[in-house]
Amino acid sequence: GAVVSQHPSRVICKSGTSVKIECRSLDFQATTMFWYRQFPKQSLMLMATSNEGSKATYEQGVEKDKFLINHASLTLSTLTVTSAHPEDSSFYICSATREADTQYFGPGTRLTVL
Amino acid sequence: QKEVEQNSGPLSVPEGAIASLNCTYSDRGSQSFFWYRQYSGKSPELIMSIYSNGDKEDGRFTAQLNKASQYVSLLIRDSQPSDSATYLCAAQGGNKLTFGGGTRVLVKP
Repeated sequence: GAVVSQHPSRVICKSGTSVKIECRSLDFQATTMFWYRQFPKQSLMLMATSNEGSKATYEQGVEKDKFLINHASLTLSTLTVTSAHPEDSSFYICSATREADTQYFGPGTRLTVL
Repeated sequence: QKEVEQNSGPLSVPEGAIASLNCTYSDRGSQSFFWYRQYSGKSPELIMSIYSNGDKEDGRFTAQLNKASQYVSLLIRDSQPSDSATYLCAAQGGNKLTFGGGTRVLVKP
């Protein structure tokens, strides 16, 4: 149990376009979902925390108008990178909590902006 | 600023030996601690969670927590080449995880 999926696994887009990444909890209802970003040879940095039906809470320094998060149901959260630029190229990983604290991670989405 | 510190490594261990990884954290309010394994290009995979002082064993892995010293460790016994990965320590306060920078482990046959 506790399987989290992400789609797509890889995406290449042109600068200025928008990209949507989906995160789904497949076998459980997730009370909270989290979005992380990981640059090469760096650790995971939390971008935002998302609860179903409410606005996401963004970490300091993360632009909420650029990284749009929608948490439509207890099993689906989406991250849209708007007007993507090369510096947004990164590995985006979501996680979901089933119990009070343990986070289960999705397989990640590698975004390359040309 | 909540911080979790790890030695970046690489920690090189011969196959069959014990790998010892250390982690310190700054936030005394952290309640839960986790070790994740991350292979190159992949997302983190949960290995162990630990919540109270002392040792917790799961197969070849043993996690140790000392809240007074704000210290968490992970021992990998009988290390295998497949254990070669980056190991991330994470501390949880509230519902947020703060990750360390990770320790790269290389197990040499």
